[in-house]
Amino acid sequence: ETGVTQTPRHLVMGMTNKKSLKCEQHLGHNAMYWYKQSAKKPLELMFVYSLEERVENNSVPSRFSPECPNSSHLFLHLHTLQPEDSALYLCASSQDHPTDTQYFGPGTRLTVL
Amino acid sequence: AQSVTQPDIHITVSEGASLELRCNYSYGATPYLFWYVQSPGQGLQLLLKYFSGDTLVQGIKGFEAEFKRSQSSFNLRKPSVHWSDAAEYFCAVGAGNDMRFGAGTRLTVKP
Repeated sequence: ETGVTQTPRHLVMGMTNKKSLKCEQHLGHNAMYWYKQSAKKPLELMFVYSLEERVENNSVPSRFSPECPNSSHLFLHLHTLQPEDSALYLCASSQDHPTDTQYFGPGTRLTVL
Repeated sequence: AQSVTQPDIHITVSEGASLELRCNYSYGATPYLFWYVQSPGQGLQLLLKYFSGDTLVQGIKGFEAEFKRSQSSFNLRKPSVHWSDAAEYFCAVGAGNDMRFGAGTRLTVKP
């Protein structure tokens, strides 16, 4: 058991919808991450939060908006997405950033119609 | 440019046979190195990691990896593969705030 949960596990949305992905870690970690996993592409680091402050933003389009209200919760707000944004979105946490082991959630499978 | 390469997209081995998954990287600084495994419908699970010290690292599930600085490699090995090892394997390399993953190698295990 990883101690990192993600909801929903599956999400289908139209391009004009607004939705949010939720991640919760029960490990007492200080850092949390969002990754995008697309078919046949390497895992892409999207956002990193350490002690509730964003420390990394790898040129992610503004239609993805992260929020970290506390060290246990991380959200990814989605609006006006494109079909190419369909992917598995993985959340992870680690004790500290960047060298500690990351523990991953099961992911949210997102389909944009 | 910083990069991580897993040259093999898909490998098939027989159960009980040995396994080696390759990972090469290009980084300016001395990186820290990870191997993760992903089963279908699951998130990634850490197998092992290397930061410093002994270049041969032991991990969970009988896996080991060797860091070879001269070859910029961090290959994953297992002496005898079990059917439950069938999964996708990812090498990851980091330095500072940067973390990059390879494209993954899918392992199929034949009975």
